[in-house]
Formats: sequence, structure tokens, C-alpha cells
Amino acid sequence: GAVVSQHPSRVICKSGTSVKIECRSLDFQATTMFWYRQFPKKSLMLMATSNEGSKATYEQGVEKDKFLINHASLTLSTLTVTSAHPEDSSFYICSARVGWENEQFFGPGTRLTVL
Amino acid sequence: AQSVTQPDIHITVSEGASLELRCNYSYGATPYLFWYVQSPGQGLQLLLKYFSGDTLVQGIKGFEAEFKRSQSSFNLRKPSVHWSDAAEYFCAARTNFGNEKLTFGTGTRLTIIP
Repeated sequence: GAVVSQHPSRVICKSGTSVKIECRSLDFQATTMFWYRQFPKKSLMLMATSNEGSKATYEQGVEKDKFLINHASLTLSTLTVTSAHPEDSSFYICSARVGWENEQFFGPGTRLTVL
Repeated sequence: AQSVTQPDIHITVSEGASLELRCNYSYGATPYLFWYVQSPGQGLQLLLKYFSGDTLVQGIKGFEAEFKRSQSSFNLRKPSVHWSDAAEYFCAARTNFGNEKLTFGTGTRLTIIP
């Protein structure tokens, strides 16, 4: 089946530093990747949608200069949290999809803790 | 506005008992519907999906869901739960044209008691 990986699975960083999270589709080419944020005991909130080779589309209220998304290839998207602060601590999940009608496959998530 | 509602925040069921998790949607047209399961600290796994056709959908791990247009519902069921079914369950929907973002419900946490 389709597999999406994320790296790292867990990261702790100091306030003010930047953190990069990778999302890879391992056995398929993903035309679209999505980045979600999940707070404890909460649902997933879509942050942005990215298509390979084009700029990401951010949801309302998501700072594009803070959450940099790069989708350089059909198998890799990265989310960089710039100048991280404790309130950025969260569980970040990516998903990947082939074609607009097909289902999304989710990665295992990355737990970010900003001290 | 498009929305997905899961009325039950937390459900506790005895092992071996039947289960029904509720999901209602509010969309202009019938959306594509999904149920996902999330174990603690993990990503989401697709249980089943409904695009069109037969309103009773079979999924993995013995789950099924029934689409009812008249009630705008897509409830998830399992005849006999196992301790390993304890997890968070999310209903999700997206339009079948144009904007294809998934909208998630708030989730239902399932606890299984022996």
C-alpha cells in the first residue's frame, strides 16, 4: 500500500531556532501534499496545500513566512518552522495524494516541542 | 459553511460489544466521506470511504459505515469491538469537485473496557 514517512518523528528545539520536517511518499508520486497541525485531543487543522513545483496555498490564519513549505519533487515536501516559539509546539502531520479524486495517505506525524 | 460533526467526544464500550460512532456532515452537495483511525502519537489510517454507489461501505478491521442522505450521516459501525480498537476516530469529508480539502470532525475517542 501507499506509504508516507515523516522525519523526524520527534524534535525538541530551543525558542528562536528553525526546524525542518520532511514528508516523503515512499512508493508513489504525490501530486499534492498537505500539512496539518493537531493540538492535544483536537482534530486536524489544515495548514497548507502544496503541489509539486508550485507555491503552497496556505489556509487563513497560517503565517506563510513562519511555516515555509517546499514541494520540490513528487516524493518530498518539507515544512520549516522558522523562529520557533513554545506556542508552535504541536503534532504536525503530512499527507500525500495522487490525483484530486484519490484518497490521502497520512504520515505518522512529527511531535515538535519548543522550549 | 462546510462542516463535519461528531457529536460524541468520548465513547466507552465493553470488549465484544457492538459499536456505532456518529458523523453528520453539512455540505451543499453530497461530499466524499471518510473514516480514519488514529492511535496515540500516530498518523491517520483510512478505515473506509464513500464516493458513490452502495450506501453500506465495508472497510478494514471489520468496520463498516452507512451513508444516509436523508440524515446527512455517515455512521461507523463494528459488530464486536476488540481491545485493539481503542483509538481516536475521525470522520472527514471533501467536495467531489473543485476545492478538494478534507474537513475533519472533532474526533471520537473510543475506550474499550474488558
